Amino acid sequence: GAGVSQSPSNKVTEKGKDVELRCDPISGHTALYWYRQSLGQGLEFLIYFQGNSAPDKSGLPSDRFSAERTGGSVSTLTIQRTQQEDSAVYLCASSSPTSGGPQDTQYFGPGTRLTVL
Amino acid sequence: AQSVTQPDIHITVSEGASLELRCNYSYGATPYLFWYVQSPGQGLQLLLKYFSGDTLVQGIKGFEAEFKRSQSSFNLRKPSVHWSDAAEYFCAVGAGFGNEKLTFGTGTRLTIIP
Repeated sequence: GAGVSQSPSNKVTEKGKDVELRCDPISGHTALYWYRQSLGQGLEFLIYFQGNSAPDKSGLPSDRFSAERTGGSVSTLTIQRTQQEDSAVYLCASSSPTSGGPQDTQYFGPGTRLTVL
Repeated sequence: AQSVTQPDIHITVSEGASLELRCNYSYGATPYLFWYVQSPGQGLQLLLKYFSGDTLVQGIKGFEAEFKRSQSSFNLRKPSVHWSDAAEYFCAVGAGFGNEKLTFGTGTRLTIIP
């Protein structure tokens, strides 16, 4: 079946503009994650959605970053007033957690490469 | 909080040679450990994972990893590398059971020479 898809694959924007990044998880997966991959920083967790529970926003670097997940499926990561340090690859992952079980495999999308000029 | 260290930023090996990529973790309880591979322009693909039980874990593409609690390590190995193994490799730790976010190492870039 289809994997995790992300759009756009590349985004170039000017400093100060807002951007929206989209993630379509694997059908039926209830958990969705956003990570950021920056040069020299590795992969950083941003936010986690699980079903109808309140999201875990503990990784969001500033209040310019927000994310929502509509209908328990598609998610949008929004970055307001972009800065050059926001340039990175933004990765989305989804999983299907097993109730009471160990951590389930996260399946990653190809990412969105964001460049802020 | 958990953390992961991959001490080797870049490793070069000859095709057909054996490979070992190092990973050390810090976590107060039994960790959930993962190795992912990222080929150029591709997303992350899971190679293998350890939750419990046998400390030697077999994964895809001929990779294996061994969990050593006493050394807080989860090194990735392959007996004979192929040119297609050239990629970036990430070790990750997760707390599980309601704390599912993964903490990744900074990655090891693997170059294969003929």
